[in-house]
Amino acid sequence: DGGITQSPKYLFRKEGQNVTLSCEQNLNHDAMYWYRQDPGQGLRLIYYSQIVNDFQKGDIAEGYSVSREKKESFPLTVTSAQKNPTAFYLCASTPGQGYSPLHFGNGTRLTVT
Amino acid sequence: RKEVEQDPGPFNVPEGATVAFNCTYSNSASQSFFWYRQDCRKEPKLLMSVYSSGNEDGRFTAQLNRASQYISLLIRDSKLSDSATYLCVVLDLNDYKLSFGAGTTVTVRA
Repeated sequence: DGGITQSPKYLFRKEGQNVTLSCEQNLNHDAMYWYRQDPGQGLRLIYYSQIVNDFQKGDIAEGYSVSREKKESFPLTVTSAQKNPTAFYLCASTPGQGYSPLHFGNGTRLTVT
Repeated sequence: RKEVEQDPGPFNVPEGATVAFNCTYSNSASQSFFWYRQDCRKEPKLLMSVYSSGNEDGRFTAQLNRASQYISLLIRDSKLSDSATYLCVVLDLNDYKLSFGAGTTVTVRA
C-alpha cells in the first residue's frame, strides 16, 4: 500500500545534539512538508518542498534544516540552534497539482532533555 | 493576524446534538479548503474537502463563503466518536503553501 512513513515514532535526545527525522513516501507526490505541533496549538510549517532539490522555509524554519535529494525522501534535521525542539513532528505530502488533500505520516514525537 | 483562525472551543455537546463552527482565513488568494480531524496524539486525517457550492458527507456539512473568507463545518446527530479536534486547512496553489488553524475541539458526551 502507498503511504508516507515517518521514523522513529518516538525519539529522545540530549540538548545540544542534532537529530534527523526521517520521512519517506511512495505515493509519487511532488510536494512534501514538515510541520511541528505543540500541545494545544495548531500545526506550524517548518519547511516545504515542491520538487526535488528545491525547498522553502516555512513560518518557523530557524534551527531546522532539510534536504530533498530524492522525490520520495524529505528528512528534517533539528539542530542544536532550535531553542525548544521538544514537539510532535508531522511530515505530509501532496501530488503538488490540482486540489489535493494532505497525506500525513503518523508523526515523530521528539523529546529533548 | 494569523492566516487561519478558529474558535478553539471546546464545544461540549450531548449525543444527537448539532454543532457548528467556523474558520476564517486572511489570504483572499486561497484556493483550496479542507477540514481535518485529529484525535489525541495522532496525525490529522482528512475529513472532507470544502467545495465552493458547499458539500455534505453523511452527518457532516461544509460550507465556503469567499466573500467573507470563512469556511464552516456542521455536524448533525453527534456521536461519541465525533469527539476530536477539527483542523481547518487552507491551500494556496500559487506556492503550494498550506496553512492550518489551531483547531476546534469538540467533545460529545453521553
